[in-house]
Amino acid sequence: DIVMTQSPDSLAVSLGERATINCKSSQSVLYSSNNNNYLAWYQQKPGQPPKLLIYWASTRESGVPDRFSGSGSGTDFTLTISSLQAEDVAVYYCQQYYSTPQYSFGQGTKLEIK
Amino acid sequence: QVQLVQSGAEVKKPGSSVKVSCKASGGTFSSYAISWVRQAPGQGLEWMGGIIPIFSTAKYAQKFQGRVTITTDESTSTAYMELSSLRSDDTAVYYCATGTEQLLVQPYVYWGQGTLVTVSS
Repeated sequence: DIVMTQSPDSLAVSLGERATINCKSSQSVLYSSNNNNYLAWYQQKPGQPPKLLIYWASTRESGVPDRFSGSGSGTDFTLTISSLQAEDVAVYYCQQYYSTPQYSFGQGTKLEIK
Repeated sequence: QVQLVQSGAEVKKPGSSVKVSCKASGGTFSSYAISWVRQAPGQGLEWMGGIIPIFSTAKYAQKFQGRVTITTDESTSTAYMELSSLRSDDTAVYYCATGTEQLLVQPYVYWGQGTLVTVSS
């Protein structure tokens, strides 16, 4: 099974500043035949289900603000919020969809305002 | 636009079972792959299992094998997740989720609103 590990567990960033969240997979989630990384990012606010932000490691879901970006390949990935807004306070999860979904989510990173 | 609407909150005794429903609309039910993900209070997301209605074959996370049963009723476009032998650590919000592909392993674009299951004596 692929295990996903996020860092840090929590993060405090000032409004307007950049926020960076990392995600590492125990095995590569890059599928060589199509050169796609099977990695998604979600945002979850209190009392709400998760919301898909990014898939294929770097493709924004429709309607997601362009301050959210994803990067990385293979085993190491990053979610970046270029200019933190108050409404971005949430817990962020990475998810691999390369193989069996057991343990497919990272443990989450809590993002707060400094 | 796919919508997933789940059944309401439940309070159960230890050792009992709970069955949560997830009614889909806005698409062709047989083309979905419905997964169930749970979240204990203050904890992360945990995939439990899923089903592709057209194949009627469910797949379960090893942790829940023997305790969880996922089924569908195509006549009502509803998926069900039944968890038995409930323990206090099964207290969680249970979500159904799906995406745009007929795959259990995919980005989940659509989520139900969640169903809180509380296990308490």
